[in-house]
Amino acid sequence: DAGITQSPRHKVTETGTPVTLRCHQTENHRYMYWYRQDPGHGLRLIHYSYGVKDTDKGEVSDGYSVSRSKTEDFLLTLESATSSQTSVYFCAIKDKGASNTEAFFGQGTRLTVV
Amino acid sequence: GDSVTQMEGPVTLSEEAFLTINCTYTATGYPSLFWYVQYPGEGLQLLLKATKADDKGSNKGFEATYRKETTSFHLEKGSVQVSDSAVYFCALSLRTSYDKVIFGPGTSLSVIP
Repeated sequence: DAGITQSPRHKVTETGTPVTLRCHQTENHRYMYWYRQDPGHGLRLIHYSYGVKDTDKGEVSDGYSVSRSKTEDFLLTLESATSSQTSVYFCAIKDKGASNTEAFFGQGTRLTVV
Repeated sequence: GDSVTQMEGPVTLSEEAFLTINCTYTATGYPSLFWYVQYPGEGLQLLLKATKADDKGSNKGFEATYRKETTSFHLEKGSVQVSDSAVYFCALSLRTSYDKVIFGPGTSLSVIP
């Protein structure tokens, strides 16, 4: 199994509070991604990174920010959590930028905003 | 824009039944196509892939053929088992700079004994 660890695995937080989710990899892969999974939508890309300090927005980036100060860590921050951000969040990594390479996923973080 | 469409289900089959999950895509250029599977409580894992037209991906008895003319990548299995109960995602990946993966909505499959 690819070495990807997401933390925390579960979190309940209140509306308006900041939340940071962490993705840690031991594979030294260059590309890292944050997705959210919601019923009827599959997985939607929030942000991605193509190297240390190199990040860009995905299709549902509003309300989220990311940082990557080390190859192994990719942080997703909700500056002020809202109920619409209740979701399951998945981190993924890829070794190469080639389109035919597999993405490896973490086990997910279930976030509930109350 | 680029997108993936698949039947959402849920699909319920009896053990040993034949499975087909339809997937069609819209993409500029020539994508690679994937099927990922998500077992309960877990992350996604690659089931199979095909990287060019007419390629057939196969794994664990599942197969899918990349059909460029119909922009499809339907997943099939001849005889499903209870252990195949999961959510199946069709996905594509384009040869862009950072190779984002675009997923379909997922199809939930339940196999009953």
